[in-house]
Amino acid sequence: DSGVTQTPKHLITATGQRVTLRCSPRSGDLSVYWYQQSLDQGLQFLIQYYNGEERAKGNILERFSAQQFPDLHSELNLSSLELGDSALYFCASSEGTTPYEQYFGPGTRLTVT
Amino acid sequence: AQSVAQPEDQVNVAEGNPLTVKCTYSVSGNPYLFWYVQYPNRGLQFLLKYITGDNLVKGSYGFEAEFNKSQTSFHLKKPSALVSDSALYFCAVRPSSTSGTYKYIFGTGTRLKVLA
Repeated sequence: DSGVTQTPKHLITATGQRVTLRCSPRSGDLSVYWYQQSLDQGLQFLIQYYNGEERAKGNILERFSAQQFPDLHSELNLSSLELGDSALYFCASSEGTTPYEQYFGPGTRLTVT
Repeated sequence: AQSVAQPEDQVNVAEGNPLTVKCTYSVSGNPYLFWYVQYPNRGLQFLLKYITGDNLVKGSYGFEAEFNKSQTSFHLKKPSALVSDSALYFCAVRPSSTSGTYKYIFGTGTRLKVLA
């Protein structure tokens, strides 16, 4: 158990809908990262927050947004969902901004029908 | 463009034999390098990292990796493979940064299959 929790574990929704994925980092970790893992594209970095502030942006679509709250939990919002958004979404956390290893949550499997 | 390459989609090795999973990178400056393992239906687990110092890094479960700056490689190795090592392995790099951004780049993964 990495100490990172993600909810829900599974999510099935229809095209055009909006969903929110939630992540709670390990106790004491200030950085949160979001990744998308799909069969054809591997693990894609989406976005990173450190202590509530956005620190790095990867291949995140404009339909997606994220935030980190004062209690350090983070939410990833996905809107106007398309079939291609079906994937595993992972959250990871690390102590800070120096090159610490990341601890990954179990993931949320999103299926868009 | 900064990138990480794992040239083999799959590596097959017999149990008890040494294994190598290859990783090469292309980033500016001095990189920080990581290996992660993913078992079915699980998140990634950290194995080891290279930040600075000794080029041979030892990690969890008997794995080690060798940083080779001239070849820009960071291959994962284990002297004697176990069937339980069968999993998906990811190499990752975090370029050194002075701008305050800390973007991690992951390879596409290599599936290791250890045959009994």
